[in-house]
Amino acid sequence: GAVVSQHPSRVICKSGTSVKIECRSLDFQATTMFWYRQFPKKSLMLMATSNEGSKATYEQGVEKDKFLINHASLTLSTLTVTSAHPEDSSFYICSARDAGGVHNSPLHFGNGTRLTVT
Amino acid sequence: AQKITQTQPGMFVQEKEAVTLDCTYDTSDPSYGLFWYKQPSSGEMIFLIYQGSYDQQNATEGRYSLNFQKARKSANLVISASQLGDSAMYFCAMREGWAAGNKLTFGGGTRVLVKP
Repeated sequence: GAVVSQHPSRVICKSGTSVKIECRSLDFQATTMFWYRQFPKKSLMLMATSNEGSKATYEQGVEKDKFLINHASLTLSTLTVTSAHPEDSSFYICSARDAGGVHNSPLHFGNGTRLTVT
Repeated sequence: AQKITQTQPGMFVQEKEAVTLDCTYDTSDPSYGLFWYKQPSSGEMIFLIYQGSYDQQNATEGRYSLNFQKARKSANLVISASQLGDSAMYFCAMREGWAAGNKLTFGGGTRVLVKP
């Protein structure tokens, strides 16, 4: 089945530093990838839609200068949390859908990145 | 207004019994897809089952079935013969329209705990 690889799975960083999270589709091409954030015991909240070769589309309330998204190829999207603060600590999950998939093809998710900012 | 509503924050089920997880949705788009995902404590999202708005039959995948009532805008997940490994969070989600770039909107989730 379709596989999405997300790295790192866990990261601890100091306040003020930046963290980059990678999301790769391993066996399919994804013109669009999605970045979600999940707080403990809560649902997934969409942060932004990452489009290959163009600017990402951010959801309302998400700071685009804070969460930089780059989708440089059909198999790679990155999320950079800039100048991280403790309130950015969360579980970040990327997902992708096969560009050649039909309407019922699901989103495939990475295993998530648990970010802790100290 | 919430697009996807899961009214059961948590529930217990006895091993080997069936459990129904509720999901209602709201959309004016005639073309939409409904998905159920399972999230174990490890965090990964596992796709379970899909129902399209034009599908005439209720979707089934092994022990998972979807009770799709279009007029009531509900898409309840039924897990039959529950197993201990079914303990997890379950999320209902909706995609409006068929385009690959359309986002998935999630409900608040239901935590299921299977008792031996």
